[in-house]
Amino acid sequence: GAVVSQHPSWVICKSGTSVKIECRSLDFQATTMFWYRQFPKQSLMLMATSNEGSKATYEQGVEKDKFLINHASLTLSTLTVTSAHPEDSSFYICSARELAGERTGELFFGEGSRLTVL
Amino acid sequence: GENVEQHPSTLSVQEGDSAVIKCTYSDSASNYFPWYKQELGKRPQLIIDIRSNVGEKKDQRIAVTLNKTAKHFSLHITETQPEDSAVYFCAAGPMEYGNKLVFGAGTILRVKS
Repeated sequence: GAVVSQHPSWVICKSGTSVKIECRSLDFQATTMFWYRQFPKQSLMLMATSNEGSKATYEQGVEKDKFLINHASLTLSTLTVTSAHPEDSSFYICSARELAGERTGELFFGEGSRLTVL
Repeated sequence: GENVEQHPSTLSVQEGDSAVIKCTYSDSASNYFPWYKQELGKRPQLIIDIRSNVGEKKDQRIAVTLNKTAKHFSLHITETQPEDSAVYFCAAGPMEYGNKLVFGAGTILRVKS
């Protein structure tokens, strides 16, 4: 299946700083990627759909100026948490769907990035 | 939009017993229903999925059933083992590329040896 890689795995930052998380599709091109957020012992909440070459589509209640998404190439999407605060501490996971073949539609996740804001 | 409900939130079974997790969905346009297993601190891993053109799919000890009329689907794990202990998520949405999937709240499965 498709391989999605995410970096960094862990990041600790001070309140007020910005943090960038990268999501790469390693063996396929992904014109669409999805960013999820997961709090401890909770489900995967979709934050936004990242579209290559165009603006991301944000879910209701997600601040687009707070969570900047850039999908500048067919294999890379980035999520920047701007002016991070402790309440932004969470597990952020990107994902992409298989485009073609027998496994069309399958959703594959990156390793996830655990953000801790002090 | 799609809404997915998942039950139970926690499930404890004895090793060797079966485990069943159920999900319901609201959008009749959804035609793809995957199940994911997530271990602590790790990414969700696809364990089985079903598309709306079939009612049941099996892969060794894992099976999924789909009732389109009632809009519900279930995960069945037989002969459970301690390594099956994890959080399981169901999801629903369109199969077509570019469309998002909506996830259930998750079920914590504990297999006691």
